[in-house]
Amino acid sequence: DSGVTQTPKHLITATGQRVTLRCSPRSGDLSVYWYQQSLDQGLQFLIQYYNGEERAKGNILERFSAQQFPDLHSELNLSSLELGDSALYFCASSTGLAGPYEQYFGPGTRLTVT
Amino acid sequence: AQSVTQLGSHVSVSEGALVLLRCNYSSSVPPYLFWYVQYPNQGLQLLLKYTSAATLVKGINGFEAEFKKSETSFHLTKPSAHMSDAAEYFCAVSTGTSYGKLTFGQGTILTVHP
Repeated sequence: DSGVTQTPKHLITATGQRVTLRCSPRSGDLSVYWYQQSLDQGLQFLIQYYNGEERAKGNILERFSAQQFPDLHSELNLSSLELGDSALYFCASSTGLAGPYEQYFGPGTRLTVT
Repeated sequence: AQSVTQLGSHVSVSEGALVLLRCNYSSSVPPYLFWYVQYPNQGLQLLLKYTSAATLVKGINGFEAEFKKSETSFHLTKPSAHMSDAAEYFCAVSTGTSYGKLTFGQGTILTVHP
């Protein structure tokens, strides 16, 4: 158990819909990262928040957005869903902003868009 | 920009044999390198990391990796494979200039035969 929790574990929804994925980082970790894992793209970095502020952005679509709340939990919002958004979405957390801090991964949310 | 190439999407070994999973990286600044393992339907677990201290890094479950700057490599090894090592392994790189963003390789699925 990494100490990072993600809900829900599975999500099945239809095209065009909007969903919210939730992540609670390890106690004391200030950085939260979101990654997408799919068969064709592999593991891709989406976005990073540190202590409530967006710090780095990767290959995140404009239909996707995220935020980190004062209690440090984070949410990833996916809207106007397409079939290609079906993937495993991971949240990870670390203590620091940059550098050699290891990231601890949650169990993931499997999103299926039908 | 940083990138990772894992040579061999599938590696198969016999129980008790040497495990060698290859990883080459590209980075314009000194890298931090990581190996993660993913068991089916689970999140990623850190095996080991290189952060510019010792070039030979020992991790959990008997794994180790050697950083070779001249070869831009960070190959993962284990002297004797166990059935429980069967999983997918990911090499990842980050740098001090990329905040905590991890760039992952495509992964190597390790199969262990009795």
